[in-house]
Amino acid sequence: DVKVTQSSRYLVKRTGEKVFLECVQDMDHENMFWYRQDPGLGLRLIYFSYDVKMKEKGDIPEGYSVSREKKERFSLILESASTNQTSMYLCASSSTSFRETQYFGPGTRLLVL
Amino acid sequence: QQQVKQSPQSLIVQKGGISIINCAYENTAFDYFPWYQQFPGKGPALLIAIRPDVSEKKEGRFTISFNKSAKQFSLHIMDSQPGDSATYFCAASTRGYSTLTFGKGTMLLVSP
Repeated sequence: DVKVTQSSRYLVKRTGEKVFLECVQDMDHENMFWYRQDPGLGLRLIYFSYDVKMKEKGDIPEGYSVSREKKERFSLILESASTNQTSMYLCASSSTSFRETQYFGPGTRLLVL
Repeated sequence: QQQVKQSPQSLIVQKGGISIINCAYENTAFDYFPWYQQFPGKGPALLIAIRPDVSEKKEGRFTISFNKSAKQFSLHIMDSQPGDSATYFCAASTRGYSTLTFGKGTMLLVSP
């Protein structure tokens, strides 16, 4: 089974802190994604990556950056956390062969105070 | 600009009833339409998907109906069970692209 793990289930940070959210997948998938999920807004794509060291902006990249140094790991970085970044963050991965099927991690619920 | 519109936002169905969730899209380049199911505390998981060359796909109690001319597709859950209580997302993607455009989700509650 594909497994996507996220480093934390719950995280509490202060405004202005630099926040790292880590995601690891164990199926050698080429594609990885970061979403945020908010009530009534669904899943919104922040960034995605097709390959190591490659990144593409999604629909809402402002205030975020990403890093993909290894194929299995995709990090989301909040350079200076703000209260409006309080949300559920979901990581997903997919293979190039079956690119349309994404496998999601359990999510990280981030609270920025 | 919302590219996939999903309704209703929430739905309560009695056990044994039929749950129906609808989605509409504008982008005619979309050629793959999956539905994801998310239980509380979990990430979404692929439930069922359809391509526009067929009008219906059935897997167990779950059926996708697709109307290409109307640019609409829907999920039907027959004989709904309390264990089906979850949030359902429709999505769409374009051939050759890995990204999915999601609807805003429908929270389904199946009452015992």
